[in-house]
Amino acid sequence: DAGVIQSPRHEVTEMGQEVTLRCKPISGHDYLFWYRQTMMRGLELLIYFNNNVPIDDSGMPEDRFSAKMPNASFSTLKIQPSEPRDSAVYFCASTRTADNSPLHFGNGTRLTVT
Amino acid sequence: AQSVTQLGSHVSVSEGALVLLRCNYSSSVPPYLFWYVQYPNQGLQLLLKYTSAATLVKGINGFEAEFKKSETSFHLTKPSAHMSDAAEYFCAVSLYSSASKIIFGSGTRLSIRP
Repeated sequence: DAGVIQSPRHEVTEMGQEVTLRCKPISGHDYLFWYRQTMMRGLELLIYFNNNVPIDDSGMPEDRFSAKMPNASFSTLKIQPSEPRDSAVYFCASTRTADNSPLHFGNGTRLTVT
Repeated sequence: AQSVTQLGSHVSVSEGALVLLRCNYSSSVPPYLFWYVQYPNQGLQLLLKYTSAATLVKGINGFEAEFKKSETSFHLTKPSAHMSDAAEYFCAVSLYSSASKIIFGSGTRLSIRP
C-alpha cells in the first residue's frame, strides 16, 4: 500500500499563474477529500468526492478554485489565477465507505504564490 | 451543525509527564469523534476514534481519550510523554463513522521538554 500520493511536494509560482495539484488515492477507496491548511485558518475542507462525483464543494473559496476526479485513481485541484493568499499546504485524503475506515492523508503540497 | 473546540493552541510538558489535550464538541446528534496527529512535513494520521461502543478509547502510541457526554468533551491523554510525541494534534467530529464530512479543530501543538 503506497498510501495517498500527492504531487508536487512544493510549488512556487507567481501571482496570476495557473496551479495544478495532483492526488492519487489509495486503491479501493471511494471517498476523496481536498483540505487546505494555513496558520490563520487551520485545516479547511475544500471539497470531497464519492465514487468520483463531487458531493460537497461548499468549502471551495471562490471560482478560481476547481477540482476534478476523472477516475477512481486520480484527482486534481486547480487554481486559476493564483493569488498570494492561496499560499498554504494542500492535503488530499481518501477513505473507504466501510465503517471504521479512517482518513488517509497524503504528505501535502506546499504552495507559495509570490 | 457540528463543531469542535480545542483549548490551547500550544501545550508544553516535560518528558515523562502527563499529557492532556482538551477538546470540546458541539453536535445536534450523537457524534463520532476522532483524534489525529500530524508530524512535521507530513499529513495527518488517525490516533483513535470514538464510535459509541465504549466511552474510553485507546489509540496508538499509548494515547487514550474519554468521551464525556455531560461535559461534551473528548480529551486526549497519555500518562507519560515521550520526546517522539512532539507534534500537532487535531480533534475532529463527524456525524458518521466514516469520514464523509469530518470537521477538524484548530489543532494543539505539543512540545516535550527534556
